[in-house]
Amino acid sequence: GENVEQHPSTLSVQEGDSAVIKCTYSDSASNYFPWYKQELGKRPQLIIDIRSNVGEKKDQRIAVTLNKTAKHFSLHITETQPEDSAVYFCAAVGAGDDKIIFGKGTRLHILP
Amino acid sequence: DSGVTQTPKHLITATGQRVTLRCSPRSGDLSVYWYQQSLDQGLQFLIQYYNGEERAKGNILERFSAQQFPDLHSELNLSSLELGDSALYFCASSQQGAQSPLHFGNGTRLTVT
Repeated sequence: GENVEQHPSTLSVQEGDSAVIKCTYSDSASNYFPWYKQELGKRPQLIIDIRSNVGEKKDQRIAVTLNKTAKHFSLHITETQPEDSAVYFCAAVGAGDDKIIFGKGTRLHILP
Repeated sequence: DSGVTQTPKHLITATGQRVTLRCSPRSGDLSVYWYQQSLDQGLQFLIQYYNGEERAKGNILERFSAQQFPDLHSELNLSSLELGDSALYFCASSQQGAQSPLHFGNGTRLTVT
């Protein structure tokens, strides 16, 4: 079955700098890759997603890139702000599959 | 507000007991997912239903069971509870299947003493 590895587990960046979180997946048939943000004590919320027919997607300060050959995808947050502090989860979904496999999460700290 | 309702918000019970967690999906969503999140842990997939039928199963213990009713609400039953079952249990719904974004409820925090 699908396996998703996420790195790093913890990331601290200075406010205003960029943050990058990387994920790898094992199933080459996976074709949908969402990212969820979970603030402390709250529910996970979708922040961006990408499908396998696209290499990059941007939404303001957030971007996701996908390398199908290498089977990895990354979340990029630019000009980080204090409200970006949270746990971020990547996920992968196989074509014709109803299992959404999450990575173990990255705790992002934005330092003042 | 995600539109997904989970009850109760908190549940405290003793080892060996049985509890039922309830989830009402967003209006129009046919898929319901259950996840377990232990302290500082990731989201462990338990089970998924689509329009009343079980669609996918994760690492769900035999002591746990779930179902989705004709009105699309879902219940997760946890029995013979152990201390290690203490966790935050999330329900999520999506319009179709896993290829659609998930909308999470606020979770039920279960404490087993």
